[in-house]
Amino acid sequence: QQQVKQSPQSLIVQKGGISIINCAYENTAFDYFPWYQQFPGKGPALLIAIRPDVSEKKEGRFTISFNKSAKQFSLHIMDSQPGDSATYFCAASIGTGNQFYFGTGTSLTVIP
Amino acid sequence: NAGVTQTPKFQVLKTGQSMTLQCAQDMNHEYMSWYRQDPGMGLRLIHYSVGAGITDQGEVPNGYNVSRSTTEDFPLRLLSAAPSQTSVYFCASSYSRTNKGEQYFGPGTRLTVT
Repeated sequence: QQQVKQSPQSLIVQKGGISIINCAYENTAFDYFPWYQQFPGKGPALLIAIRPDVSEKKEGRFTISFNKSAKQFSLHIMDSQPGDSATYFCAASIGTGNQFYFGTGTSLTVIP
Repeated sequence: NAGVTQTPKFQVLKTGQSMTLQCAQDMNHEYMSWYRQDPGMGLRLIHYSVGAGITDQGEVPNGYNVSRSTTEDFPLRLLSAAPSQTSVYFCASSYSRTNKGEQYFGPGTRLTVT
């Protein structure tokens, strides 16, 4: 059973547009929610992360929105660029444990 | 720093063969882990270690063994390869078991089992 559900599976956005990727979870024990970016042939790299005591975190063009009551969080990429074309994974982990649970990934293509 | 290194980059095995995927990090990280990445499945945790001499199972441990004799190295052993183990394998490390988000991933090993 997928602990973290991610959508959409793929996304095509025009340059300058906003890319939005959504994730949902059931386990209320999760207390750390990172997003990873992966380019073809490379390992994932941490992009941005949030804890459930805040509703939003922004780093440059990347923003995480977190809705604790709905058990959902999303990644927004503002002013999307062709260089943002990659696969994005959301993840979640539990405070007392050492396991990460990843979403199934979203392949983002930004068209020039 | 080389970061997290993995060898080999590619490997083809026949069913029933055994092999070891190597992972090393030079960042003095306590926490190391192995994931497999399959299309439509995301990354799934196989085994992890919170320090030398300590290992534990993740989500999908069956068919894999690990050991952690040093801080730097965390090899993953396939005892008897099966076609279902065809995947891309990633090793990752982080500074502390509590610094969970800062995982650094290696470049991956693409394994095909025929």
